[in-house]
Amino acid sequence: EVQVVGSGGGLVQPGGSLRLSCAASGFTFSSYAMSWVRQAPGKGLEWVSAISDSGGSTYYADSVKGRFTISRDNSKNTLFLQMNSLRAEDTAVYYCAKRAEYSGSYYLFDYWGQGILVTVSS
Amino acid sequence: EIVMTQSPATLSVSPGERATLSCRASQSVNNNIAWYQQKPGQAPRLLIYGASTRATGIPARFSGSGSGTEFTLTISSLQSEDFAVYYCQQYSKGTFGQGTKVEIK
Repeated sequence: EVQVVGSGGGLVQPGGSLRLSCAASGFTFSSYAMSWVRQAPGKGLEWVSAISDSGGSTYYADSVKGRFTISRDNSKNTLFLQMNSLRAEDTAVYYCAKRAEYSGSYYLFDYWGQGILVTVSS
Repeated sequence: EIVMTQSPATLSVSPGERATLSCRASQSVNNNIAWYQQKPGQAPRLLIYGASTRATGIPARFSGSGSGTEFTLTISSLQSEDFAVYYCQQYSKGTFGQGTKVEIK
């Protein structure tokens, strides 16, 4: 059974940093691109960042470029999101998501983590 | 940037009735359209990809159609478990629509 389990959220002050993790199991992690998608309270979905299966290529939404860094450890089946210079508008539930089997696109997702709440507030 | 616009924002439907949700792209997306269902407190679930192909395990009452810039998700006979928020997404670059909430009439 495919599982993606996120961790690492919490309350952080504006300007602070946080690192999210996502542990994957039930599939060959190193064969799939992975992404982070976020959802602000009461709002819609926003793709944040993607990383290729090898980790050699990374992509970011303009809203987080230069502040967030996506990475992965294929030996530990784990995805990361390092978030620096956090702002109030980064407050959201963050989902890790697996690239779907059906397409080579990095942006189609068939399995999602349970969501990690990040709150940026003083 | 491709902008995805969904309508209506809220759709009130009685159980057993048909629901039709619309999604418009600001430019052609080559049928790289997906639909997701999200219930409160849960992660989104992939329903449709390629504009019209159901993902594994998705009931036949869900169908997608459209091409170019206009797309539709139809739920043929709403069940109680179908009341949720639905998002379209163009997966050439990952942009989501703002969502349509399907509520009980």
